[in-house]
Amino acid sequence: DSGVTQTPKHLITATGQRVTLRCSPRSGDLSVYWYQQSLDQGLQFLIQYYNGEERAKGNILERFSAQQFPDLHSELNLSSLELGDSALYFCASSGSGRSYNEQFFGPGTRLTVL
Amino acid sequence: EDQVTQSPEALRLQEGESSSLNCSYTVSGLRGLFWYRQDPGKGPEFLFTLYSAGEEKEKERLKATLTKKESFLHITAPKPEDSATYLCAAGGGSQGNLIFGKGTKLSVKP
Repeated sequence: DSGVTQTPKHLITATGQRVTLRCSPRSGDLSVYWYQQSLDQGLQFLIQYYNGEERAKGNILERFSAQQFPDLHSELNLSSLELGDSALYFCASSGSGRSYNEQFFGPGTRLTVL
Repeated sequence: EDQVTQSPEALRLQEGESSSLNCSYTVSGLRGLFWYRQDPGKGPEFLFTLYSAGEEKEKERLKATLTKKESFLHITAPKPEDSATYLCAAGGGSQGNLIFGKGTKLSVKP
């Protein structure tokens, strides 16, 4: 158990809908990272927040957005969902703002778009 | 372009048959090379970080090594419970974030 929690574990929805994924980092960690993992693409970095502020952006679509709240939990919002958005979504946390420190991953949310 | 490539894509071993997994990287300004283990449907589990060429780290049957262009994960006398996908990631590069390889799926048969 990494200490990172994610909810929900599974999410099934329809195309065009909007969903919110939630992540709580390890106690004391200030950075939260979001990743998408699909079968053919591997783990793709989406976005990083550090102590409430956006720190880095990866290959995140404009339909996706995230935020980190004062209690350090983070939410990833996915809107206008398409079939291709079906994937595992992971969040990770680390103690510093530098992404090249160890990141600890949560159990993931499996999103299925029908 | 920053890139991490892992080989082989899949590896089947008999219990006790030692082998190595390869991770080659082209990342400007490497800030760390990370190894993770991922079981099906679960989040990656952190194994090792290597920061400089020549560095080695060990944990049970696993040993990770780093050169200027690649890293190896050596598995000595593997057991069926070592079956998993092993991911490597390079920190640094133009965006300064972890760049993951696609992983090596290891199967160890009893």
